[in-house]
Amino acid sequence: DTGVSQDPRHKITKRGQNVTFRCDPISEHNRLYWYRQTLGQGPEFLTYFQNEAQLEKSRLLSDRFSAERPKGSFSTLEIQRTEQGDSAMYLCASSLKTSGGINQETQYFGPGTRLLVL
Amino acid sequence: KQEVTQIPAALSVPEGENLVLNCSFTDSAIYNLQWFRQDPGKGLTSLLLIQSSQREQTSGRLNASLDKSSGRSTLYIAASQPGDSATYLCAVSPLYNNDMRFGAGTRLTVKP
Repeated sequence: DTGVSQDPRHKITKRGQNVTFRCDPISEHNRLYWYRQTLGQGPEFLTYFQNEAQLEKSRLLSDRFSAERPKGSFSTLEIQRTEQGDSAMYLCASSLKTSGGINQETQYFGPGTRLLVL
Repeated sequence: KQEVTQIPAALSVPEGENLVLNCSFTDSAIYNLQWFRQDPGKGLTSLLLIQSSQREQTSGRLNASLDKSSGRSTLYIAASQPGDSATYLCAVSPLYNNDMRFGAGTRLTVKP
């Protein structure tokens, strides 16, 4: 296992369509994060999972967005009824947290999925 | 709400020069601060992580400092090389949740 992988790397879709992205974290990592990054800006936190539980969601995550991590391994991020404003790079990261409390460990990022909504 | 600012937004230097990138944050209640590197169109690579109880971390030609009370961090790059050209992002993890906040980054160009 060489790192976090994301699929697809690029997605072009028409406004109103649904899209789904996949993230495969580093295999022993129990925490998985989704971020969105627009051009010239830093990533913005969307949501994170510890194992299969979704523990935090940003207010940026509108009801058109849903994320799952059904078996505590890979995760999917679905955007329904895409809008042009959804065009961005969607980044996934994972980390290992070995005790309770706030995560203080390094997050390892995948290469991202670049979404363009026409 | 935590806000993270990076100055300058862009920097161009000749090869071999030492340089400093700056990061400031508004809420000192942080758990740690990280510096990342991002190449165009790619994901982020963690460079250094400083816990809130630490003052600095070093890795090779990189040295990051943290002054939590003043809300500032610096990334020092010694003897810059063209391969250092990338965008450098700092990010702070708050004490009470996992909503890591990023700055907009400094785009560094090192000219041969």
